[in-house]
Amino acid sequence: DTGVSQDPRHKITKRGQNVTFRCDPISEHNRLYWYRQTLGQGPEFLTYFQNEAQLEKSRLLSDRFSAERPKGSFSTLEIQRTEQGDSAMYLCASSQRFRTGDGYTFGSGTRLTVV
Amino acid sequence: QQPVQSPQAVILREGEDAVINCSSSKALYSVHWYRQKHGEAPVFLMILLKGGEQKGHDKISASFNEKKQQSSLYLTASQLSYSGTYFCGTEILLQGAQKLVFGQGTRLTINP
Repeated sequence: DTGVSQDPRHKITKRGQNVTFRCDPISEHNRLYWYRQTLGQGPEFLTYFQNEAQLEKSRLLSDRFSAERPKGSFSTLEIQRTEQGDSAMYLCASSQRFRTGDGYTFGSGTRLTVV
Repeated sequence: QQPVQSPQAVILREGEDAVINCSSSKALYSVHWYRQKHGEAPVFLMILLKGGEQKGHDKISASFNEKKQQSSLYLTASQLSYSGTYFCGTEILLQGAQKLVFGQGTRLTINP
């Protein structure tokens, strides 16, 4: 397994455009997470899937953000009508149950710049 | 509910020791520690699942005081490769287990 893959690595978009990011988790992991990180801050939780079910979505997340995980495999994160404040690194992570002793495996992230 | 890390930054010479603290206002299921190097994704270091648990590998260890809702990361005889930003991630009791809330990070710089 090659770890968690994210695509694209970088995205520059104009304000008001829609963008979609993809995450391919480690195949044995049934939990998948999306986080957002800005410079000098820790990762901020966005949403979380167990298999194909979206179990939690941050209350901080506006309706412009949506995520899917069809068939419990890869996931997509879509941002509609992007704003300059959406500029950040979007990190995907996957895991097994924490009680196994393992934590998150993060992907390399997608850096979004809204101009 | 974001855990508070201290200090915010540390500068050491190679071979010196460091302690990074993580404190939560909420009761916790577990605490995780991650290291992130500039321009890279965070990398998992260790998880502490029970109160009072201590773990370690190489010269990096950690403890978890469940009653105080605190965890500490200990780096002894630091090496240049330890440089980076360290994050604690807390799994909060009764607020959505199996997901982490991260602290703001502690930037560690090791000089030769």
